[in-house]
Amino acid sequence: SQQGEEDPQALSIQEGENATMNCSYKTSINNLQWYRQNSGRGLVHLILIRSNEREKHSGRLRVTLDTSKKSSSLLITASQAADTASYFCATDRGDYKLSFGAGTTVTVRA
Amino acid sequence: DAGITQSPRHKVTETGTPVTLRCHQTENHRYMYWYRQDPGHGLRLIHYSYGVKDTDKGEVSDGYSVSRSKTEDFLLTLESATSSQTSVYFCAISDPGGLQETQYFGPGTRLLVL
Repeated sequence: SQQGEEDPQALSIQEGENATMNCSYKTSINNLQWYRQNSGRGLVHLILIRSNEREKHSGRLRVTLDTSKKSSSLLITASQAADTASYFCATDRGDYKLSFGAGTTVTVRA
Repeated sequence: DAGITQSPRHKVTETGTPVTLRCHQTENHRYMYWYRQDPGHGLRLIHYSYGVKDTDKGEVSDGYSVSRSKTEDFLLTLESATSSQTSVYFCAISDPGGLQETQYFGPGTRLLVL
């Protein structure tokens, strides 16, 4: 069964706005990762946050992790048309196997 | 996308026929994975390998087998394809003990079983 569940399923925003998506999971984890998938392509890794970290930044991306609530959020600031994609969270329980959620589809309108 | 390739990229086959998908890497990564992606399900792990001849099942392994005789190649075989195996298949690699803790994905193979 899937470990991660993203919310919302779809998100439409104006260029320049921020986009926030959430991920909830069920069991304890070693780390949580976010991936992006452009239409028809393979997934691309964005950022990894470990279970002992609470927040991490990478460029316009900000990820938070709350292990007590078993949840994570991904914030994309100042969105661009190129950010249009599907975003997936994936949890690693320390066995090097990832469990993916169903994803959030983000559309950035010009 | 350099470093990991999948073949074929597209395939149409008939129910009951065997199908083999190939994943090839040039990164010398120890771990290799096969996923399938279906609408509403995200990616689901089929099988994975943690070394030559070392493989294990994922969450949706029924109807699939794998082989890894060389570090660089990981084969996924559908013994007798069914329509429920119509999907997009992704291969991924990682090297948890080295520099590649996260997974690096191939471009995918679109399989249609008629």
